[in-house]
Amino acid sequence: QTVVTQEPSFSVSPGGTVTLTCGLNSGSVSTSHYPSWYQQTPGQSPRALIYKTNSRFSGVPDRFSGSILGNKAALTITGAQAEDESDYYCVLFMGSGIYVFGAGTKVTVL
Amino acid sequence: QLQVQESGPGLVKPSGTLSLYCAVSGGSGTRNNWWTWIRQPPGMGLEYIGEMHYDGITNYNPSLKSRVTMSVDNSKSQFSLQLNSVTAADTAVYYCARGVNNAFDIWGQGTMVTVSS
Repeated sequence: QTVVTQEPSFSVSPGGTVTLTCGLNSGSVSTSHYPSWYQQTPGQSPRALIYKTNSRFSGVPDRFSGSILGNKAALTITGAQAEDESDYYCVLFMGSGIYVFGAGTKVTVL
Repeated sequence: QLQVQESGPGLVKPSGTLSLYCAVSGGSGTRNNWWTWIRQPPGMGLEYIGEMHYDGITNYNPSLKSRVTMSVDNSKSQFSLQLNSVTAADTAVYYCARGVNNAFDIWGQGTMVTVSS
């Protein structure tokens, strides 16, 4: 069974930088998995941030960036702001129209 | 500006069938896109249920495939989800979303479905 791994939580200071990762329980993440990232605050629908590893959706601030770091996909927030305190989910495309979500990373800004 | 909006019963009995609709407004309606269902149990993470292309092609999460049916009505600009033989484990907020570039860019506000007698 495919499991997408994410850190449970991260803390970052205002103005600081944090990098969240998205891995696989078996194998490496590559651009062929078309990693995408979503931000969700409590009680709200998820908001799309990144698609195809490193492309930002329209309206997403450029402090959010995506990449492949080693064998994982990564989301970096550079210059974190209070409003970035949210849950962040990655999604990987596994082929044949199948996507798998990670369990999410809770980011605290303090 | 394309928008999607879920609707359907908020309460379903165990062993029954969950039926939800997603209305698409703006843009070109349901045509020329993939449409996705995703759910989130209370206090938990997101789970991909499946996707449907406007021309009827479907792809389902293998863990739910035996119980899921998706359909699209292009004339009404809406698509639907049916989940059979539900249990309490199917209690969740259900989201519809548009699929584009192997991602989900436009999400509905979600609809809470509780499975209980």
